[in-house]
Amino acid sequence: QVQMVQSGAEVKKPGASVKISCKASGYTFSTYYIHWVRQVPGQGLEWMGIINPRGGSTTYAQKFQSRVTMTSDTSTGTVYIDVTSLRSDDTAVYYCARGAVVPLARFDYWGQGTLVTVSS
Amino acid sequence: EIVLTQSPGTLSLSPGERATLSCRASQSVSSYIAWYQQKPGQAPRLLIHGASSRATGIPDRFSGSGSGTDFTLSISRVEAEDFAVYFCQQYSSSPTLGPVTKEPTFGQGTKVEIK
Repeated sequence: QVQMVQSGAEVKKPGASVKISCKASGYTFSTYYIHWVRQVPGQGLEWMGIINPRGGSTTYAQKFQSRVTMTSDTSTGTVYIDVTSLRSDDTAVYYCARGAVVPLARFDYWGQGTLVTVSS
Repeated sequence: EIVLTQSPGTLSLSPGERATLSCRASQSVSSYIAWYQQKPGQAPRLLIHGASSRATGIPDRFSGSGSGTDFTLSISRVEAEDFAVYFCQQYSSSPTLGPVTKEPTFGQGTKVEIK
């Protein structure tokens, strides 16, 4: 069965960086695009960007373009998101989600989420 | 940015009643609408994509309709496990292009609670 398993919760100070991993299994990793979505506690969902695991091409939401980098490792079936210059309003649950075999941004399988807390 | 407005904010129902949730887009998104269910402490779960296609394993009491700017998620008879928050999402980008050219956006959610 398809699974997306993310790394554990993180606590960071303002100005620091965080790197979250998402290991996919149960399907051909390079075939499906993967997205990152975040959710501020008690609030809505916000799309951050997309990566094509085959080749590593990316597109980021305009809001995050200067602070986010997504990468993939086809040898382990893992994608990563790196967020720099963290602020308190980056405190959120970060999700990876499987997209489609074309760059359509609808998400059929999600990771369990990684809580990132930014606090001094 | 395409803004999605969901209504009502909260829907109070008894088990067995019908639920009707609305999602309105600020501009046409064709049929590129998905609906997700989210329970506390869990990731969202895909229910409907393409406005009306049920995702794998989703019970047939869930149905979606609409096109253009107005969409509806219906639950024919609400069961105890259906009390949750529901989000709509638009993904109106062409599948023939390379990278996503329009940013997907979500509605603010409708909470379905026990009356």
